[in-house]
Amino acid sequence: GDSVTQMEGPVTLSEEAFLTINCTYTATGYPSLFWYVQYPGEGLQLLLKATKADDKGSNKGFEATYRKETTSFHLEKGSVQVSDSAVYFCALSDLRAGNMLTFGGGTRLMVKP
Amino acid sequence: NAGVTQTPKFRVLKTGQSMTLLCAQDMNHEYMYWYRQDPGMGLRLIHYSVGEGTTAKGEVPDGYNVSRLKKQNFLLGLESAAPSQTSVYFCATSTGETQYFGPGTRLLVL
Repeated sequence: GDSVTQMEGPVTLSEEAFLTINCTYTATGYPSLFWYVQYPGEGLQLLLKATKADDKGSNKGFEATYRKETTSFHLEKGSVQVSDSAVYFCALSDLRAGNMLTFGGGTRLMVKP
Repeated sequence: NAGVTQTPKFRVLKTGQSMTLLCAQDMNHEYMYWYRQDPGMGLRLIHYSVGEGTTAKGEVPDGYNVSRLKKQNFLLGLESAAPSQTSVYFCATSTGETQYFGPGTRLLVL
């Protein structure tokens, strides 16, 4: 079945540092890919998405490019802020099963001032 | 416009007790989902619904039942709670690929 693997955390960075969170996937079809963010005590929020190969999703300074050849969707940000501290989840959707999402295990990001 | 709401926010159960979690949405979305979140495992799909009156099993359906009698509500039931069902439960809705999540229900089974 489909699966998503993302780097384990926590990732601890200083403010204004460069962020990369790796995400790779396995899927039998052509999934859409997502990054969701979860702030403490809250539900998940969509951060960005890409629906086909070579698409780049971007939002709030975060970017990720759908790389079919490497089955990856790494999340990047050029300069993180303390307010970016959260748990980040990579996910893919399966159109064949009610658009259900398959999630990676999540990566906790801690940004220190 | 409340979006997706979940009731209750927190609950403690004893082993063997039953309870129902309610998810309500005011966005008129067809698709609704129930996930559980456990440390280090991301979110796993329990059950989902593609429309009023329909339900289907997800990745981890055992020990849970669901009902979608009204389009705006999706209920998750635990008939006989077990400690392994201690988790945070999230409801989500969707019209297509993007899912919108509720704030979660924290359940502790003793």
